[in-house]
Amino acid sequence: KAGVTQTPRYLIKTRGQQVTLSCSPISGHRSVSWYQQTPGQGLQFLFEYFSETQRNKGNFPGRFSGRQFSNSRSEMNVSTLELGDSALYLCASSFDRGRIGTEAFFGQGTRLTVV
Amino acid sequence: GENVEQHPSTLSVQEGDSAVIKCTYSDSASNYFPWYKQELGKRPQLIIDIRSNVGEKKDQRIAVTLNKTAKHFSLHITETQPEDSAVYFCAASNPSGGGADGLTFGKGTHLIIQP
Repeated sequence: KAGVTQTPRYLIKTRGQQVTLSCSPISGHRSVSWYQQTPGQGLQFLFEYFSETQRNKGNFPGRFSGRQFSNSRSEMNVSTLELGDSALYLCASSFDRGRIGTEAFFGQGTRLTVV
Repeated sequence: GENVEQHPSTLSVQEGDSAVIKCTYSDSASNYFPWYKQELGKRPQLIIDIRSNVGEKKDQRIAVTLNKTAKHFSLHITETQPEDSAVYFCAASNPSGGGADGLTFGKGTHLIIQP
């Protein structure tokens, strides 16, 4: 079956602009989470969507937002980009059988560079 | 919320030797502990996981141990090979966790296998 697909793979944006990233989960997976990955900081949790609702949110400013569509595809948006937003953005999907612990499948990520 | 600490941040071992990566977690409600491997330029992928009702699990050269009382778990890689070079992330999942299926990740360990 197809894996988690993220588009685009690479983006270069200018400070102050906004950007939208897309994530298509594995078919049947209802939970989609977003992570920011920077060197030395590991996988920092942004937010999680489940059945079109944001279920949890990490400690990121309001410039970071997201949504999930009825087909479970998710988008995240970053407005007023700052240099520090340069990172690899990963999304992960899971079937989520009620938080009993299942494998999360990651996409290849979107490499965002802010100049 | 859950907090996962991972050590060391960098580990260099000679090819053929063993490597051990350790993680501690804070929330006693966590019940699922996966380990992910991320090779350079690739997505994180699950390599082994363990549930809270099990103390140890092995899969060929890799094993994970869990001490629920002390709230720590470890990844053991024996007979290391060059292809084991990667960043390894531990994670803990609990029903109220914020990430994919409630996962909270450690900051990662960069494992370097010296020829």
